Amino acid sequence: AQSVTQLDSQVPVFEEAPVELRCNYSSSVSVYLFWYVQYPNQGLQLLLKYTTGATLVKGINGFEAEFKKSETSFHLTKPSAHMSDAAEYFCAVSGITSYDKVIFGPGTSLSVIP
Amino acid sequence: DTGVSQNPRHKITKRGQNVTFRCDPISEHNRLYWYRQTLGQGPEFLTYFQNEAQLEKSRLLSDRFSAERPKGSFSTLEIQRTEQGDSAMYLCASSLTGLAGDKETQYFGPGTRLLVL
Repeated sequence: AQSVTQLDSQVPVFEEAPVELRCNYSSSVSVYLFWYVQYPNQGLQLLLKYTTGATLVKGINGFEAEFKKSETSFHLTKPSAHMSDAAEYFCAVSGITSYDKVIFGPGTSLSVIP
Repeated sequence: DTGVSQNPRHKITKRGQNVTFRCDPISEHNRLYWYRQTLGQGPEFLTYFQNEAQLEKSRLLSDRFSAERPKGSFSTLEIQRTEQGDSAMYLCASSLTGLAGDKETQYFGPGTRLLVL
């Protein structure tokens, strides 16, 4: 079974400052990793995912994340925050078979201060 | 817009009543998932379908919950004898099973927010 930890429930950043949202996972098998974003009153939208290949993954809206197996981490970063980035961000993990469920972390609320 | 749609968007009911939610997935998607999300938490898996077959059901799902996807297209989630603890956002997602070595992307609907009084 897999699990996800997002240690920061809330992250405030100034506009144009860099963003880092932390995610650590636990698994006894190989994993795929995801970041989703949820804007108020909306469903979740995939930002990026790691399956195989390059460990630095680029996503939409200028976000990227690096898979570090030795640290069991998949932190999400962006060089410069925009006001429109304010939202809830969820890290998620799954096993690599098509029947493995996706397990979501508790989420990190990103607020952007003008 | 041809994304995932869910109806109703909001539902207020009294304890003990039955409620039914509908999810219309993206038309060519063969998988459909139901999740429950409470405040400050990520989505929790409830159940999923591949075409019309219900392949897995979470142990979180009591006997009061039932889901169907009769023709492999839209799905319904019914909660019987609702309890206050059922108050949550119910999310639906759909996906198309991908190639080996990849993991299909789940596309989420806007959710149905349930409040049980």
